[in-house]
Amino acid sequence: EAGVAQSPRYKIIEKRQSVAFWCNPISGHATLYWYQQILGQGPKLLIQFQNNGVVDDSQLPKDRFSAERLKGVDSTLKIQPAKLEDSAVYLCASSLAGGPAYEQYFGPGTRLTVT
Amino acid sequence: ILNVEQSPQSLHVQEGDSTNFTCSFPSSNFYALHWYRWETAKSPEALFVMTLNGDEKKKGRISATLNTKEGYSYLYIKGSQPEDSATYLCAFGAGSYQLTFGKGTKLSVIP
Repeated sequence: EAGVAQSPRYKIIEKRQSVAFWCNPISGHATLYWYQQILGQGPKLLIQFQNNGVVDDSQLPKDRFSAERLKGVDSTLKIQPAKLEDSAVYLCASSLAGGPAYEQYFGPGTRLTVT
Repeated sequence: ILNVEQSPQSLHVQEGDSTNFTCSFPSSNFYALHWYRWETAKSPEALFVMTLNGDEKKKGRISATLNTKEGYSYLYIKGSQPEDSATYLCAFGAGSYQLTFGKGTKLSVIP
């Protein structure tokens, strides 16, 4: 079974530029998550999709971050414009269904550096 | 905001030593507790998902226990090997969908 795919793996941009990350979850997984992990912190949930609908985006900075899940499969996360404090690893995960008892399967992450 | 604490923050052990880490979480509104292993440059990998007080789970040399009444979980590694070097994350699930992660324990196993 193929795992969660993410691209790019690394990205360096200047502040005020835009960046987009892509995620392809495990086939058949209804729930998709985007996490932000700042160095020294635990992963923080940015947004959770159930199929192509948003379940939780309470911690997504909506003035600069946006996300969509096309046809309930792939997802993109965009930052526009980026700030220095957005430097982090962005992790995508998927699970069979929503709910905290479901195991989450993670991709390798995208390491973003904003200079 | 839910508080999930992991200790120690980091530790170094010799190959062959056994070790354990702690995850502390709120004792109210418990739904699930996850443990993940995250090796450098790889994807975080699920070790255990525990939902019942008193749960004990085992995978090879790694095991975990859960006490929901007092709000803690222990992760044990028996006979540490260099390939066990990783960051171990715990995540607490309350009644909502969202998992709250701790900051992790970084384990280095010295050959």
